[in-house]
Amino acid sequence: AQSVTQLDSHVSVSEGTPVLLRCNYSSSYSPSLFWYVQHPNKGLQLLLKYTSAATLVKGINGFEAEFKKSETSFHLTKPSAHMSDAAEYFCVVSDPSNTDKLIFGTGTRLQVFP
Amino acid sequence: DAGVIQSPRHEVTEMGQEVTLRCKPISGHDYLFWYRQTMMRGLELLIYFNNNVPIDDSGMPEDRFSAKMPNASFSTLKIQPSEPRDSAVYFCASSWTSGDPRDTQYFGPGTRLTVL
Repeated sequence: AQSVTQLDSHVSVSEGTPVLLRCNYSSSYSPSLFWYVQHPNKGLQLLLKYTSAATLVKGINGFEAEFKKSETSFHLTKPSAHMSDAAEYFCVVSDPSNTDKLIFGTGTRLQVFP
Repeated sequence: DAGVIQSPRHEVTEMGQEVTLRCKPISGHDYLFWYRQTMMRGLELLIYFNNNVPIDDSGMPEDRFSAKMPNASFSTLKIQPSEPRDSAVYFCASSWTSGDPRDTQYFGPGTRLTVL
């Protein structure tokens, strides 16, 4: 069965410093992997998606993620954090051979300090 | 496009009352999903529809929960009777099989339900 593990429940960074949010996945097949972001009192928004094309995926707002099959990881990064990046981030996996379901990680809350 | 629309945005009710949550998916989307988000359990898929037909309701917690999709532009999630443990944020999401990959889902703003 497919699953994702987000290794940090909270991450705090200073504005202008790099962001790293870690995610490991488990899937029996070649997965589709996503990062979604949820700002306070808002719905979830897709940041980026990996679907077996380029392993380095660029998303919105300067975020990117690298798919590493050997490490079963899909970590989210951004070179320089902005105050507006403060939100909850979810790593998500889907398995097209199974269903159309998305399996969500438990989330990482990113705090950005001035 | 207005995106996925949910109503109401907030609902406060008393235990035992019936609650109905509403969702309008993005026009042209043929998949609709209902999720529940709580601090304890995170984001859980309750049920999803394809072309208005329920495909998988294995996430519906119990018989008090029911969902319908009478047409392509409207769905409801009903809880009867409601209990305090149903308090959560309920999200609706939609996606489509042509154009964008169908596993990219677009979420509504959610309905925050409080059952007293």
